[in-house]
Amino acid sequence: AQTVTQSQPEMSVQEAETVTLSCTYDTSENNYYLFWYKQPPSRQMILVIRQEAYKQQNATENRFSVNFQKAAKSFSLKISDSQLGDTAMYFCAFSPGGTSYGKLTFGQGTILTVHP
Amino acid sequence: SQTIHQWPATLVQPVGSPLSLECTVEGTSNPNLYWYRQAAGRGLQLLFYSVGIGQISSEVPQNLSASRPQDRQFILSSKKLLLSDSGFYLCAWSGSFDGREYFGPGTRLTVT
Repeated sequence: AQTVTQSQPEMSVQEAETVTLSCTYDTSENNYYLFWYKQPPSRQMILVIRQEAYKQQNATENRFSVNFQKAAKSFSLKISDSQLGDTAMYFCAFSPGGTSYGKLTFGQGTILTVHP
Repeated sequence: SQTIHQWPATLVQPVGSPLSLECTVEGTSNPNLYWYRQAAGRGLQLLFYSVGIGQISSEVPQNLSASRPQDRQFILSSKKLLLSDSGFYLCAWSGSFDGREYFGPGTRLTVT
């Protein structure tokens, strides 16, 4: 079974600054995917970024980027130029590949507050 | 475009009462469907997933069951609710075209 650990229950950052959210995972799989989801107060789950484990290049989506360290089983999210709308709970998630793709295991989440 | 609906949005039920939550997906065919539960605003836990009509896999033994009577309909049920069934229930779907999983708006269930 896979586990996902987010060791930062809460983080805060000033608007326009950069913040990094941490995530570690444990798996014996070779084929898997990692995700960061955002859950604003509306509680709608929004996909922020997706990383395929077989790709060495770190995924980026505009102001969001990841630092994927496969050997260390680490998958951190960097948010650059933080905006007030980034205030939300952020979840790291793991999915096996193959026929089990989509069966997500989530971390406990990090509440991020962006201050003006 | 694809959309996912869940209802009801909010539900308050007494202990021992039955439950039926519904999820429907529009704009796609043969999606994989998932039920997750989020307790106390923390991490989500996968409860059930389905790869086709009538095909349900349970991830966690519990008081709940799921059914998929139609290709784009996924139902979460219980015959007798427990206090521990309270939580936020999210339905999700994924297709084979972009590898992404899309979540519905969720149902907040309070068992009293």
